[in-house]
Amino acid sequence: IAGITQAPTSQILAAGRRMTLRCTQDMRHNAMYWYRQDLGLGLRLIHYSNTAGTTGKGEVPDGYSVSRANTDDFPLTLASAVPSQTSVYFCASSALSGSAGELFFGEGSRLTVL
Amino acid sequence: AQSVAQPEDQVNVAEGNPLTVKCTYSVSGNPYLFWYVQYPNRGLQFLLKYITGDNLVKGSYGFEAEFNKSQTSFHLKKPSALVSDSALYFCAVRDQGVTGGGNKLTFGTGTQLKVEL
Repeated sequence: IAGITQAPTSQILAAGRRMTLRCTQDMRHNAMYWYRQDLGLGLRLIHYSNTAGTTGKGEVPDGYSVSRANTDDFPLTLASAVPSQTSVYFCASSALSGSAGELFFGEGSRLTVL
Repeated sequence: AQSVAQPEDQVNVAEGNPLTVKCTYSVSGNPYLFWYVQYPNRGLQFLLKYITGDNLVKGSYGFEAEFNKSQTSFHLKKPSALVSDSALYFCAVRDQGVTGGGNKLTFGTGTQLKVEL
């Protein structure tokens, strides 16, 4: 069982470039999330999706966009990358939207913006 | 608003000794509380959660956590630490009264646990 697959594992990107981080899950979970992890700040929610076709903003959405065309895929796009977006990005999913279902995380995508 | 605090950046403990990783939370209503563990260069793994009922919650790998409503705490504990328990631990909270928005968790900043021989 793969769970959540993120790609790329790591990427170095020039400032101003567009970048899409991919996330695919095979658990048929309704809800999906993108978090960024920064030293000393823990994990912060960027965007989420309760179900296919809907998305919502998290704590730190500026500079990021998402789409949820189907249940399995939840890509995160940086339209014009800036150095402050250097971080480790985690995609997650949960079975129960709006409830206490635990989150399942991918292995992360390490992004460096120069 | 919901928030969680992990007051210790690092906890050091000798193998075989009991360990405690502290977590306090703040919510408007009642909380859902979670503990996750992260090993180097890996994603977060679920350890345990409190929803309602018994204040002592048992989870994976021998870990447990005690919910204390009066102290708004949810400390992670293990009776006998192993070197392999060394990792980064995150506490997370969700306000049960917040509807919609999926299971949007607020995470603490993490506590690095180091278990030494």
